[in-house]
Amino acid sequence: GAGVSQSPRYKVAKRGQDVALRCDPISGHVSLFWYQQALGQGPEFLTYFQNEAQLDKSGLPSDRFFAERPEGSVSTLKIQRTQQEDSAVYLCASSQVGRRERGDTQYFGPGTRLTVL
Amino acid sequence: KQEVTQIPAALSVPEGENLVLNCSFTDSAIYNLQWFRQDPGKGLTSLLLIQSSQREQTSGRLNASLDKSSGRSTLYIAASQPGDSATYLCAVSWGGSEKLVFGKGTKLTVNP
Repeated sequence: GAGVSQSPRYKVAKRGQDVALRCDPISGHVSLFWYQQALGQGPEFLTYFQNEAQLDKSGLPSDRFFAERPEGSVSTLKIQRTQQEDSAVYLCASSQVGRRERGDTQYFGPGTRLTVL
Repeated sequence: KQEVTQIPAALSVPEGENLVLNCSFTDSAIYNLQWFRQDPGKGLTSLLLIQSSQREQTSGRLNASLDKSSGRSTLYIAASQPGDSATYLCAVSWGGSEKLVFGKGTKLTVNP
């Protein structure tokens, strides 16, 4: 596709519900990243994949957060038993590994705004 | 701890002015540094990427410099326009990981 897409764009969940956020990276991009952005803050790293391998999940705030990328393209971020503090914008980014110059540039999707009531 | 700091948090300038946004980072062993723009309710748009071996990058009216030894980068915007109004984010990746560590951003307002 032309860019990184994310769905849904907005999600309202009641506390305790499970949610699943989807990311479609740019076609052919090897690396995929998830970030969490609270209001008025910069994005904070959650996890990233190279192809289907999850290489770093050090930013996931708790074991309620789980991410997968089973076929090395589309990724899903799942949050179980949502809490109010999970309310944030979840950003997905992808990059093309191995190229110099702009190859390391991360291209971001529009984000999913999650509100937990 | 690897951290990125941006100063000022907000900046308001009249149209046409040249301006500088500042970014500082701990640990000079960076892999690369990126400047992004974020418009309200939108995702991030990459503006410039500077590899650790480079000193600066230019794109149109934008120029980003990197001084690893002092742990600083600046984003210079020439002849600012109202359309430049947005939040500008600096992000750094360090060796060993592709993840980006972001500053909190500088909210720029260019007044007509």
